[in-house]
Amino acid sequence: GQQLNQSPQSMFIQEGEDVSMNCTSSSIFNTWLWYKQDPGEGPVLLIALYKAGELTSNGRLTAQFGITRKDSFLNISASIPSDVGIYFCAGRGSNYKLTFGKGTLLTVNP
Amino acid sequence: EAGVTQFPSHSVIEKGQTVTLRCDPISGHDNLYWYRRVMGKEIKFLLHFVKESKQDESGMPNNRFLAERTGGTYSTLKVQPAELEDSGVYFCASSQASGYEQYFGPGTRLTVT
Repeated sequence: GQQLNQSPQSMFIQEGEDVSMNCTSSSIFNTWLWYKQDPGEGPVLLIALYKAGELTSNGRLTAQFGITRKDSFLNISASIPSDVGIYFCAGRGSNYKLTFGKGTLLTVNP
Repeated sequence: EAGVTQFPSHSVIEKGQTVTLRCDPISGHDNLYWYRRVMGKEIKFLLHFVKESKQDESGMPNNRFLAERTGGTYSTLKVQPAELEDSGVYFCASSQASGYEQYFGPGTRLTVT
């Protein structure tokens, strides 16, 4: 089946730093989604990307849909303590189901 | 607008018992999905409803799992009989007709002992 390779697995950064994470796949996806999960909560949708090459921002978050349709990255600028959590990428192919990466655990030191 | 809700938030059962999880999607969302995250693994798709019809159940692990969505509103996922490897967090998500953006519930943490 389809698999997403998400990296890094974890990151420890200082408050104020920028952070970048990415996902790659051997398969093409039609939509890329980025989610954040806080402890005890479900994944919350951060950004949705619909076209190859698309670059979308949501506040301090910026994400891009790779030209090959096989990758995507998420950048967080000027990190703050509440950015702590697990970030997941997810790809959607021709059907409705999402394929998820294993997640990036982000820790922000104040 | 209320988000996706799930009940219970936690369930601890013994191997061989039965458990039923419930999901209430966002009002007006025809698409409803079940996903599962087993410890240390990625979130994996289980199945997809469009209204009351099962559109895709390719991710269901085996016939011990039964999902229903009578009337096309809330959905239930029953595990009978539960096995140790069924432990994990079960998420429900819903989306509008286009299906591009899926919104997740808080999950039900199932522990089978």
